[in-house]
Amino acid sequence: DTGVSQNPRHKITKRGQNVTFRCDPISEHNRLYWYRQTLGQGPEFLTYFQNEAQLEKSRLLSDRFSAERPKGSFSTLEIQRTEQGDSAMYLCASSSWREETQYFGPGTRLLVL
Amino acid sequence: EDQVTQSPEALRLQEGESSSLNCSYTVSGLRGLFWYRQDPGKGPEFLFTLYSAGEEKEKERLKATLTKKESFLHITAPKPEDSATYLCAVQSSSGGYNKLIFGAGTRLAVHP
Repeated sequence: DTGVSQNPRHKITKRGQNVTFRCDPISEHNRLYWYRQTLGQGPEFLTYFQNEAQLEKSRLLSDRFSAERPKGSFSTLEIQRTEQGDSAMYLCASSSWREETQYFGPGTRLLVL
Repeated sequence: EDQVTQSPEALRLQEGESSSLNCSYTVSGLRGLFWYRQDPGKGPEFLFTLYSAGEEKEKERLKATLTKKESFLHITAPKPEDSATYLCAVQSSSGGYNKLIFGAGTRLAVHP
């Protein structure tokens, strides 16, 4: 059983550029979450999908952020017009309808120069 | 507002020196409390889920307990490989769909 995978693992970009991250959840999990973590802090919730439906978005998710899960399998998180404050670790997690536990991927570390 | 506070922020132990990490929470209806371990540059690794006061879970040198206001992660005779950041998170019954609210973590360093 493979865990949650995320690509790329690292991304360096210049301010103003767009970036896209991908998350592949555990195969039988229908729930998918995105979190953001900055140095020395715990992860902060960004958004939640159940199958292909985006059911919750945090106030942290500005208009420059968009997430999709088109077929209820993998998900993408896009950041448009990146800012230096977007530099963080972006974490994806998934869970099954059978249990509450969320399993995290290795994260994508974004650095905006 | 739902909130999680972890203490201490950092803890240094000698190998074999047992100790406890604290997670205090305020939440409007607890659905679950979760402990994760996070190594530098990696995603959180699931350890335990606790659902009700009085519940306890054990795994190797770790034991998690839960009261109505806080949870403890007890580490017995730690080894250097237990060095990591330990994260506590809660899931609220009124806080929306399933999202986790995390504390800032406790950075544990175990020295030989």
